[in-house]
Amino acid sequence: GESVGLHLPTLSVQEGDNSIINCAYSNSASDYFIWYKQESGKGPQFIIDIRSNMDKRQGQRVTVLLNKTVKHLSLQIAATQPGDSAVYFCAENYSYKLIFGSGTRLLVRP
Amino acid sequence: DGGITQSPKYLFRKEGQNVTLSCEQNLNHDAMYWYRQDPGQGLRLIYYSQIVNDFQKGDIAEGYSVSREKKESFPLTVTSAQKNPTAFYLCASSGTGGVAKNIQYFGAGTRLSVL
Repeated sequence: GESVGLHLPTLSVQEGDNSIINCAYSNSASDYFIWYKQESGKGPQFIIDIRSNMDKRQGQRVTVLLNKTVKHLSLQIAATQPGDSAVYFCAENYSYKLIFGSGTRLLVRP
Repeated sequence: DGGITQSPKYLFRKEGQNVTLSCEQNLNHDAMYWYRQDPGQGLRLIYYSQIVNDFQKGDIAEGYSVSREKKESFPLTVTSAQKNPTAFYLCASSGTGGVAKNIQYFGAGTRLSVL
């Protein structure tokens, strides 16, 4: 079935550096993608979204890139801060359902 | 505050017991969802409801039941038929029209353990 997966289970970055979290999706018919941030013991929090007719979307310190040719999604976090430490999930929206990847843990070193 | 409230935060189940997890939202969302999250894994869909008095099974519905009698409420019952209920349970809601249907907002979760 359709699935969304992540290449790196854990990413460790130095505070102040940029972070890039990657995601591969398999359902070419999905038209909407979302990144969520989940802190320990909490529910996922919406970060940013992108429609399939876009290649790039920017938010505050975050950018999502979509490459439909290779079915790849990435989340870029600029000037990573300690508060960015969390697990990040990408999800594709397909017929009222969100299909989640297994997540990438981002660790920010002081 | 507008949002999704899940209760209790922690819940313990004895063998053969049914337990019910509460989910209430005041976002005026039509759609509500229940997910299960196991350690180090993503979210798996248990049940979802797009409108009051209607709900559909997700990917792992066996051993669970739901009801949707009110727009604001979508309780999940973990029955004794669910042999491995220990997990973190997340409730979410979303709109159902246009872009709103795509973004789901989550509660803080209920952690269920077996005694």
